Amino acid sequence: QLQLQESGPGLVKPSETLSLTCTVSGGSISSSSYYWGWIRQPPGKGLEWIGSIYYSGSTYYNPSLKSRVTISVDTSKNQFSLKLSSVTAADTAVYYCARLRFPIRFDYWGQGTLVTVSS
Amino acid sequence: NFMLTQPHSVSESPGKTVTISCTRSSGSIASNYVQWYQQRPGSSPTTVIYEDNQRPSGVPDRFSGSIDSSSNSASLTISGLKTEDEADYYCQSYDSSNQVFGGGTKLTVL
Repeated sequence: QLQLQESGPGLVKPSETLSLTCTVSGGSISSSSYYWGWIRQPPGKGLEWIGSIYYSGSTYYNPSLKSRVTISVDTSKNQFSLKLSSVTAADTAVYYCARLRFPIRFDYWGQGTLVTVSS
Repeated sequence: NFMLTQPHSVSESPGKTVTISCTRSSGSIASNYVQWYQQRPGSSPTTVIYEDNQRPSGVPDRFSGSIDSSSNSASLTISGLKTEDEADYYCQSYDSSNQVFGGGTKLTVL
């Protein structure tokens, strides 16, 4: 059974860079037809797609976040990562990683990790 | 880019049927598949409908999905409501490179 697990700091200071990693187990991140994505959910609010990456490194980003987002992949570790720069309190959210059956749907999700932006 | 608009909340009694709508702001609803996710408090989203009207294994047939080109919208219908259906529901679709989620609908079963 495929599993995804987010990891990273739960607290980030304003103006700094948020960094998270998603570790994939039970399957290969290099599988064809699948992208790997990040989605976030501010407390009490809805889901927002951040971006997606293929194992080759091809990426798509949400236009509203594109200037601050970098998603990368490490196939040797079966991981992909998110960096979000210049964070503010508005970036406080639960961050999920998920597998994307490109381009259609997310079928496996991690449990999510809460990242709070505060000094 | 387009937006998906859902009602903020709906409520219905156990045993009844409820329908949640998801309206696409631009472009045809029929041009890209629509998915529906259920999210219970404190949990990750799970798929209840994919590719407009397909149910993953394990999802009861009380859940069904459809699209209506005349209103440019998708709908999730849950029949025979149970208290365990109380959750937030999100529609999701995509274009050539972007994923889009609706704002979510809180379903209350009272």
